[in-house]
This record gives sequence, structure tokens and C-alpha cells, in this order.
Amino acid sequence: QVQLVESGGGVVQPGRSLRLSCAASGFIFNTYVMHWVRQAPGEGLEWVAVIWFDGSEEYYADSVKGRFTISRDNSKNTLYLQMNSLRVEDTAVYYCAREAARNWFDPWGQGTLVTVSS
Amino acid sequence: QTVVTQEPSFSVSPGGTVTLTCGLNSGSVSTDYYPSWYQVTPGQAPRTLIYSTNTRSSGVPDRFSGSILGDKAALTITGAQADDESDYYCVLFMGRGSRVFGGGTKLTVL
Repeated sequence: QVQLVESGGGVVQPGRSLRLSCAASGFIFNTYVMHWVRQAPGEGLEWVAVIWFDGSEEYYADSVKGRFTISRDNSKNTLYLQMNSLRVEDTAVYYCAREAARNWFDPWGQGTLVTVSS
Repeated sequence: QTVVTQEPSFSVSPGGTVTLTCGLNSGSVSTDYYPSWYQVTPGQAPRTLIYSTNTRSSGVPDRFSGSILGDKAALTITGAQADDESDYYCVLFMGRGSRVFGGGTKLTVL
């Protein structure tokens, strides 16, 4: 079945880096736009970044622009989020999601927790 | 800055009907924004309910419906059940490289 599995979360100090991965299976990965979405503790969902099916375009929320980089390896069916210069306010559960059709996020992964703390 | 507005909380009686809305701080929501709706339960991945304004995702019961009401997108739950108690989020397509989630509505069924 269609499945997304995130990994790479953990505890990291402010200013450090972390890379998240999202392994996709059950669908033709290189034909879909992919997103990262996060949810900070006690807060709502926040869209983070999007990457085109072939990696030709990528866009970011203002809150992460210049610090985060979304990428993908279609040969490995894997989506990535490189997070640099992490801040306490980046603490959140990070979800990857497939854009099944315009603005339709389906499915979502189970999420991976990133905690930025000294 | 674009802000997508949702009611912070709502309450409905079991068996009752509730309509949650999704608006914009400036302007009206139309089908051009491809509104979609998600149910988020703590500890679980978000579940897609509605996409493209009014299309139910696979497996979603028909008591969930989406529409445009006035200048907002709307999610209506008819015949609310106890396990509908959850957080509900809308998200709008703001252009090729931007999506914006609303702040979410906490629905209580009691």
C-alpha cells in the first residue's frame, strides 16, 4: 500500500543541523510533488516546504527559508529535509506528505519528532 | 501576510450537525484555492477528509461534506459521533509554491 516513513528526528542543540528522511513505497515516487509539514507542541499544522516531482522546483515557508533545504532522490524513493541553524522554535513533529492532487496531502507519514534544546 | 482563519473551538451534541469554516484575513475563499480538510488526533498522522473543496477522500463517511459557504470554505459534519472529537485543519493553495494551513478547530462532542 502507499506508505511514507519518516526518520532522522532527535534532540539537537540550537544552531546545529539535522537531516530528516522520508522513505516512500507503494507508488511511483518520481511522479508526485512532495511536502514537509510540521506541528509544534500544542500548536497547529504549518506547511514547511514543497519539491517538484523531478526536483526542478522547491519552495519554502518564510519561517525556514535560507535555513532548510528540501531535496529528493528518486532512485531511492526518498525525500529529505536538511535543517541548518536550528532554533528552539523549530521544535515540532515533522511530517512528509504526498500531494496526490492539487492541495491534497495524501498520505501522510507518521511523523518524526525534532527537539531543539540546549 | 496571508492568514487562514478557523474557529478555535466548537461544540456539538452527539447526532447533531456542525459546520466548521475556513476563511482568509483578506478576501474570499473560492474553489480556486482548492481547500482541503484534515482530521488530526494526537499521536496519529493527519487523516484527509475532503479535498478540492468537496471531494471526500477514500473511506471517509458521507456524513463529512465540504462546500463554499459565502466567502469561506466549510466542513460540515452531519450526525456527529463521539470519535469525531478531534482537531480539524483546512489548508489553502496560495500559488505554485505556497500552501497555508488554518489555525485549526478543536471540536468537542458532548
